[in-house]
Formats: sequence, structure tokens, C-alpha cells
Amino acid sequence: GQQVMQIPQYQHVQEGEDFTTYCNSSTTLSNIQWYKQRPGGHPVFLIQLVKSGEVKKQKRLTFQFGEAKKNSSLHITATQTTDVGTYFCAGDTGGFKTIFGAGTRLFVKA
Amino acid sequence: DSGVTQTPKHLITATGQRVTLRCSPRSGDLSVYWYQQSLDQGLQFLIHYYNGEERAKGNILERFSAQQFPDLHSELNLSSLELGDSALYFCASSPGGARNTQYFGPGTRLTVL
Repeated sequence: GQQVMQIPQYQHVQEGEDFTTYCNSSTTLSNIQWYKQRPGGHPVFLIQLVKSGEVKKQKRLTFQFGEAKKNSSLHITATQTTDVGTYFCAGDTGGFKTIFGAGTRLFVKA
Repeated sequence: DSGVTQTPKHLITATGQRVTLRCSPRSGDLSVYWYQQSLDQGLQFLIHYYNGEERAKGNILERFSAQQFPDLHSELNLSSLELGDSALYFCASSPGGARNTQYFGPGTRLTVL
């Protein structure tokens, strides 16, 4: 079946270091979304990418959508303790089902 | 605040029982999604309703069922509960159609003893 693989599962960084999480889909996606879930909270929408090769930035966060629309990445520059949480990608295959990756849990040590 | 409400916030019940979780989507949203999140796990997609009709099914057990009512609120019914059903249950809504950004509610934490 259709899958969205997300790596790594966990990442421990020192505050100020960079962080990247990657998503790979087994099928071409019509769009991909990124969500952040703080510990004890609910997932919150961050951004949606639609176009092949699209790059979007939100302050220290950079989101990329691959040329083949099968992979995506989220890069955080100079992490802060407020970045702690789990980052999920979610791929839309054009049907009515959005497939979530398993998430990357980010730990930031001050 | 996402605008999606879920009740109750917490639910503690015993094995074999049946519970109903309720979700009210954001105003104007036609789609409702249900997810299960076990401790420190990812989001398991259960089911998606659009304007009252079931649109997609994920790994939803036969003991679980859902519906979306004419006023667009949704209920998730869990029956013959087992210890392994203990989890956070999230509801999310989206405008529907091509606009599929999902807005999550705060979740219902279900504990089965």
C-alpha cells in the first residue's frame, strides 16, 4: 500500500545545531504538509508544498518538495528549545486519504 | 486554538465497555478525520468523512465505527474496549475538496482499565 516513510525517528541536538527530517513516499504526491506536535499537545499545521521543487521558508525553518514530488524535507537552522516536539509530514496522493509519516521526535539540549 | 472541539477531554473506562467520542469541526469545514495516537507513537488514520459521507478508511477496527451528522459534527464509537485501545484520539477538520490542510482538535485521552 501507499506509504510515507520519515527519518530519523529521533534526533537529539545541542541548542544552536541544525536539524533535518526527511520524508519519502512510495508514490507521487499531489502535495505534502508538515505538522508540529509539542509534547502533550496536538498536531499543528506548519506549511503545505504543492509544486515540484518548491522551497518555502518560515524564519529558521526551510521546507523542500522534491522534483519528483516523492520526497520532502524540513530543515531547522540553529535549533532552540522551543523547537522541541515531533514533526510529521503528511502526503496527499490525490485521493481522499492523507498519509502521515511516523514523525521525527526532536530533543534539544540547552 | 484550532477551532476544532472534542469532548470529553479524558475518559476512563473498563474493558468490554463502549464509549462515544465527539468532535465539532471548524465552522465551514466539511471534512472530519479521526486518528489514534498510542503513547509516543505516530498518528494512525482511522476514518475520513466528507459532508456526511464516508470517504476513506484506514486501519479502523471492526469494533470501532464513526458517523458524521447533518450539522457536520462527528462521533467515534468504540465498543468491546480492550486495554490496547488506550490512546489519544484526535479529530481533525479541513475545508474539504482540494483544500486539505487539517486542523486538529485537542484530543480525547482514553484510558481502558
